[in-house]
Amino acid sequence: GEDVEQSLFLSVREGDSSVINCTYTDSSSTYLYWYKQEPGAGLQLLTYIFSNMDMKQDQRLTVLLNKKDKHLSLRIADTQTGDSAIYFCAETANSGNTPLVFGKGTRLSVIA
Amino acid sequence: DAGVTQSPTHLIKTRGQQVTLRCSPKSGHDTVSWYQQALGQGPQFIFQYYEEEERQRGNFPDRFSGHQFPNYSSELNVNALLLGDSALYLCASSMWRSSSYNEQFFGPGTRLTVL
Repeated sequence: GEDVEQSLFLSVREGDSSVINCTYTDSSSTYLYWYKQEPGAGLQLLTYIFSNMDMKQDQRLTVLLNKKDKHLSLRIADTQTGDSAIYFCAETANSGNTPLVFGKGTRLSVIA
Repeated sequence: DAGVTQSPTHLIKTRGQQVTLRCSPKSGHDTVSWYQQALGQGPQFIFQYYEEEERQRGNFPDRFSGHQFPNYSSELNVNALLLGDSALYLCASSMWRSSSYNEQFFGPGTRLTVL
């Protein structure tokens, strides 16, 4: 079945870059997403990438996709204390109506 | 635009009881999906409603049921509550489309505690 794996914790210093990694098993994954969850809040979509792309950049965020290895990463440049949260990788086989399959999330701690 | 709203925010129930959670989708959206997020886990898909019918269902028992109303709002019902049902229940709304990118907007969730 579908599976999405992430490392559970990451700690970085303020101003450094953060890289959060994710691997997935479903070769039919069409869209891959990064969501952010702050304490007591729902999920906020940060960015997504279509499976025919290798990279997508959006301000401080860079997403890299290695489709051959089924590996996705999220790089946050100039990490700030406000970036402290849990980051979820998710995938769908066909976006729109297909349910999201999430990883367990990576807790990012930013040290001032 | 209020976005996706859910009620109540928090709920405490005892084993064996029944609970109803509510969700109002983002304006213009017609599809509602429900997810369960246990502590320390990622959200797990429960089911999805469109045109007042359950369209897809995840690996959850029949104790979990739902409904969608003509105004697109939705309810999630859980019967015979178990301790393991304690979780954050997230509602997501979207537009029903067969293909192409389509973002799901999440509500803040309802925190259910079963004692």
